[in-house]
Amino acid sequence: EAGVAQSPRYKIIEKRQSVAFWCNPISGHATLYWYQQILGQGPKLLIQFQNNGVVDDSQLPKDRFSAERLKGVDSTLKIQPAKLEDSAVYLCASSPLAGSEQFFGPGTRLTVL
Amino acid sequence: GQSLEQPSEVTAVEGAIVQINCTYQTSGFYGLSWYQQHDGGAPTFLSYNALDGLEETGRFSSFLSRSDSYGYLLLQELQMKDSASYFCALYSNYQLIWGAGTKLIIKP
Repeated sequence: EAGVAQSPRYKIIEKRQSVAFWCNPISGHATLYWYQQILGQGPKLLIQFQNNGVVDDSQLPKDRFSAERLKGVDSTLKIQPAKLEDSAVYLCASSPLAGSEQFFGPGTRLTVL
Repeated sequence: GQSLEQPSEVTAVEGAIVQINCTYQTSGFYGLSWYQQHDGGAPTFLSYNALDGLEETGRFSSFLSRSDSYGYLLLQELQMKDSASYFCALYSNYQLIWGAGTKLIIKP
């Protein structure tokens, strides 16, 4: 069974630029999560999808972050414009059901200069 | 609100046993999960306690006491490959609330 795929693995941009991350969850997994993990901290949930609907985006900075999950499969997370404090690893995870074991992708390490 | 506390770092010797504690504050939750994350890697699921008591999976065991708002992860027969960060996470409202993680350092 293929795991969660993410791209790119690394991205370096300058502040005020835009960036987008892509995630392909495990086939059949209804729930998809985007997390932000700053070095030395635990993952922080940004947004949770159930199929193509948003379950929770309370911690998503909506003035600059956006996410979508078209057709309930792949998802993209966008930051526009980026700030220095957005430097982090962005993790995508999926699970068969909300609350069951989460399977994580390798993450995208974003550096904002 | 909900919060979890873990030691930031624990050091142990190869072949020994180590316990990583997790205390939490919450108004309600379904269970406590543990995840392992190697440097530069993604978190991987280790265990889940929905009920009080001990859950054993090979060399790893996890414990939950709801009355004490406390849980722990027990690692036995430590191997160098166990060097990683370990996160406890509360399962609440169909999502995970994560602790800051404990870095486990293993010495030969």
